[in-house]
Amino acid sequence: DIQMIQSPSSLSASAGDRVTITCRASHDISNHLAWYQQKPGKVPELLIYAASTLQSGVPSRFSGRGSGTDFTLTISSLQPEDIATYYCQKYDSVPFTFGPGTKVDFK
Amino acid sequence: QVQLVQSGADVKKPGASVMVSCKASGYTFTSYYMHWVRQAPGQGLEWMGRIDTHSGGTDCAQKFQGRVTMTRDTSINTAYMGLNTLTSDDTAIYHCAASLVPGVGVRSFDHWGQGTLITVSS
Repeated sequence: DIQMIQSPSSLSASAGDRVTITCRASHDISNHLAWYQQKPGKVPELLIYAASTLQSGVPSRFSGRGSGTDFTLTISSLQPEDIATYYCQKYDSVPFTFGPGTKVDFK
Repeated sequence: QVQLVQSGADVKKPGASVMVSCKASGYTFTSYYMHWVRQAPGQGLEWMGRIDTHSGGTDCAQKFQGRVTMTRDTSINTAYMGLNTLTSDDTAIYHCAASLVPGVGVRSFDHWGQGTLITVSS
C-alpha cells in the first residue's frame, strides 16, 4: 500500500506567519490528494481537493500545490481560527490512506 | 442539505461485535460511495473501507479484512459498518463520510457524519 508521510508532525507559529506543511506519497498519485482541517473535538473538514482546488467556503489564505508524490499545504497568513491538525489523504485508489497529521498551534 | 446522521455511542466488551449506522439525506444515496473512517483517542484519521451503495460491493483496508462488514439498506438510505472481535484498540470515534464533490475522479470527503464513539472495555 502507498504510505503518506507528513512533515512536520507539529509546528508553532505566530499570527500572520506563513505556514507550509508537506505531504509525500510513496508512489505517484497524480493529483489525487486532499487536505483536511480538524479542530479539537470536531469533525474533519475538507479544505482542498485535487491537490490544489479550494473547497467552497474555504478562505483564500489556504492553498495547495503538487503532483505525483510531493504536495504542500500553505496558510499564507496564520489566523487564530487556523489552530488545528491538518491531514493529507490520497484517493487515487483504495486504500484511501491519510497522512499522520500536522498539529499547528501558536508560538 | 446533505446530512449524514449516525447512531449513538456504545460500550462493548472485548470479543463482542458492534454495528454503527449512518443515515443519509439530501442527496441520491445510491449515486455515491459511503466510506468509514475511525479515530482513536488522541490519534489520527484511519480509513477503514467503503461501500458502493448502488451495488453493495465493498473495499476495506487490509488490517480490517475479515473483521469488518459494510452493508446498506437503500430503502431507508442507510449504511452500516459492523466490526467484530473487538479489543481495546478498537476504542475510537467512527465516522461515515461521503464524497459529493463534482469532478471526474474526485473522491475527497466533503460530508461527514457526526461520529459515533465506540468504547471497548471489560
